[in-house]
Amino acid sequence: AQSVTQLDSQVPVFEEAPVELRCNYSSSVSVYLFWYVQYPNQGLQLLLKYLSGSTLVKGINGFEAEFNKSQTSFHLRKPSVHISDTAEYFCAVSDANTGNQFYFGTGTSLTVIP
Amino acid sequence: DTGVSQNPRHKITKRGQNVTFRCDPISEHNRLYWYRQTLGQGPEFLTYFQNEAQLEKSRLLSDRFSAERPKGSFSTLEIQRTEQGDSAMYLCASSFAQSNTEAFFGQGTRLTVV
Repeated sequence: AQSVTQLDSQVPVFEEAPVELRCNYSSSVSVYLFWYVQYPNQGLQLLLKYLSGSTLVKGINGFEAEFNKSQTSFHLRKPSVHISDTAEYFCAVSDANTGNQFYFGTGTSLTVIP
Repeated sequence: DTGVSQNPRHKITKRGQNVTFRCDPISEHNRLYWYRQTLGQGPEFLTYFQNEAQLEKSRLLSDRFSAERPKGSFSTLEIQRTEQGDSAMYLCASSFAQSNTEAFFGQGTRLTVV
């Protein structure tokens, strides 16, 4: 089975500052990796995904993430955050061969301070 | 297609009552997932279907929970004899098995057991 660790439960950051949200995973098989964003009382929206190929993945809203196989990490970054980025962010992993289910981390609450 | 649709959005019920939630996936998606999310946690896998077959169930899914997808289209999740610990957001997601990539989530049904 796979598991995901998001070490930072809350990240406050000033508007227009850069941010990095950390994600580490464990798995004995090849994986797909995802970042989802959740706004209050809403479902999850996909930000970006890593399936194969280039380890730097660009997503929506100016976010990007880098897959590091040796460190089993998939950290999410944005060079300049906006107030509207305030939300809960979830890292997720699935088995690349079966994709039977998605395993989620506990989430990181990003608060952008004006 | 407007995406994954879940009904109702909110449900308040008395302890001991039965509740049923409905999920309508994206029409061409053959996989359908149910997740449960409690406050401050990431989504936890409950079960998933491929077409009408329920292929996997989590140990979290007690015998009070049952899910169906009778014609391989919409799905229902029923909770019998609800308990206060069942209070959570219930999320439905769908995906296309052949592409084996991301899941698309609905907005969820928030259940409150009083």
